Amino acid sequence: GAVVSQHPSRVICKSGTSVKIECRSLDFQATTMFWYRQFPKQSLMLMATSNEGSKATYEQGVEKDKFLINHASLTLSTLTVTSAHPEDSSFYICSARDLTSGGRAKNIQYFGAGTRLSVL
Amino acid sequence: DQQVKQNSPSLSVQEGRISILNCDYTNSMFDYFLWYKKYPAEGPTFLISISSIKDKNEDGRFTVFLNKSAKHLSLHIVPSQPGDSAVYFCAATTASGDMRFGAGTRLTVKP
Repeated sequence: GAVVSQHPSRVICKSGTSVKIECRSLDFQATTMFWYRQFPKQSLMLMATSNEGSKATYEQGVEKDKFLINHASLTLSTLTVTSAHPEDSSFYICSARDLTSGGRAKNIQYFGAGTRLSVL
Repeated sequence: DQQVKQNSPSLSVQEGRISILNCDYTNSMFDYFLWYKKYPAEGPTFLISISSIKDKNEDGRFTVFLNKSAKHLSLHIVPSQPGDSAVYFCAATTASGDMRFGAGTRLTVKP
């Protein structure tokens, strides 16, 4: 299947700083990428849909100014957690779809390895 | 609004036996269903999927069954192996690609 790379895998930062997480599709172009957040022992919560060349679509309850998303190219989307606070500590995961796949296989989302953010 | 539900948070099975993971959905617009496997501190890995026009899809030890009238799907793993121990997420998507995940079921396969 398609490969999605996410970096960094773990980051520890001080409260008030900003953290950038990168998500890259390595062997395909992704016009759309997705950002999820996972709390301990809970499901994946969709935060936003990242659209290449346009503004991201945020889910209800997700602060746009807090979680800045940039999708400047067909293979890269970034999530910046601005002015991070301890409550932002979580596991963030990105995914992408390979729309060149045939049939409904284009709906399969391929995930990055995730980023564990710890805000002190 | 939980549109995809996995009511069993955990399942323990003996090695060699069958593991059956269940998933229910409420949105009739879902027409493509997927199972993902996830290890701790890693992203989910796509396992197997099924379109709503089918009722069964098999890939090696993994088989997914879909009962549209009951809005229910299940993942069968046989024979189960210790390496299958992970959290399994059920996901459903509409034709437009809107995907929702269940809460996951932690499978433990005991040697």
